[in-house]
Amino acid sequence: GQQLNQSPQSMFIQEGEDVSMNCTSSSIFNTWLWYKQDPGEGPVLLIALYKAGELTSNGRLTAQFGITRKDSFLNISASIPSDVGIYFCAGSISGGYNKLIFGAGTRLAVHP
Amino acid sequence: DVKVTQSSRYLVKRTGEKVFLECVQDMDHENMFWYRQDPGLGLRLIYFSYDVKMKEKGDIPEGYSVSREKKERFSLILESASTNQTSMYLCASSPPITPLHFGNGTRLTVT
Repeated sequence: GQQLNQSPQSMFIQEGEDVSMNCTSSSIFNTWLWYKQDPGEGPVLLIALYKAGELTSNGRLTAQFGITRKDSFLNISASIPSDVGIYFCAGSISGGYNKLIFGAGTRLAVHP
Repeated sequence: DVKVTQSSRYLVKRTGEKVFLECVQDMDHENMFWYRQDPGLGLRLIYFSYDVKMKEKGDIPEGYSVSREKKERFSLILESASTNQTSMYLCASSPPITPLHFGNGTRLTVT
C-alpha cells in the first residue's frame, strides 16, 4: 500500500533548540496533517495543510505543504520539555480523511 | 471539546479469546475509525464507519470485525485473539471532511 517516509525516527535535543522533521511520499497528496501524541494519550491534531506551498503556524510550530505535493515539513522553534512526544505526519490522496496514511512517527525527547 | 472515550486503557487476554474493544464519542460525529499503532509502523487503519450499520475495510482488516449499532458507539471485535494482535488500538471520530479526533487508546496484550 501507500507509504509515508517520516524522518528522523527519533531526536534527543536540548531545551531551546529548534527541531525539524519531515515526511515524503512517492504519491501526490491533497492534504497533509501533523499530529502529536503525548505519552499515554491519543494523537492530537497540531496543523492541517490543504494547498501546495502552504505555510501554517500554530504557536512555536510551523508546517509546510511541499510544492511537489509529495512532502511536508514540521518545525518547532525554541523547544521546551512539554514538546516531548511522538509526532506523526498523515496524508490523504483524495483530500478526505477516511483513509489517511500515517508516517511511522518521530519520537522527540527534550533535555532540560 | 470533542470526547472520544475508549472503555479500557489496558487489556490482557489469552490466545483464542473473543475480545471486544469499545469506543464512544459524544459529538454526534458521522465517521468513526479504528487504528492500531505499532512502533516503527505508525498508525494503520483497520476499519472505519461513516454511518450506523455501515462499515468499510481499512488497510489491515484481517482478524478483526466491527459493529456500529448506534451512532455514538463503534466496537472492534477480535473473534479469536492471537499474539500478533498485541498492540495499541486507537479509536477516532470526525464529522465529514474534518480531521480525526482520537481517544486515548487501549493497550491490548494477548498471551
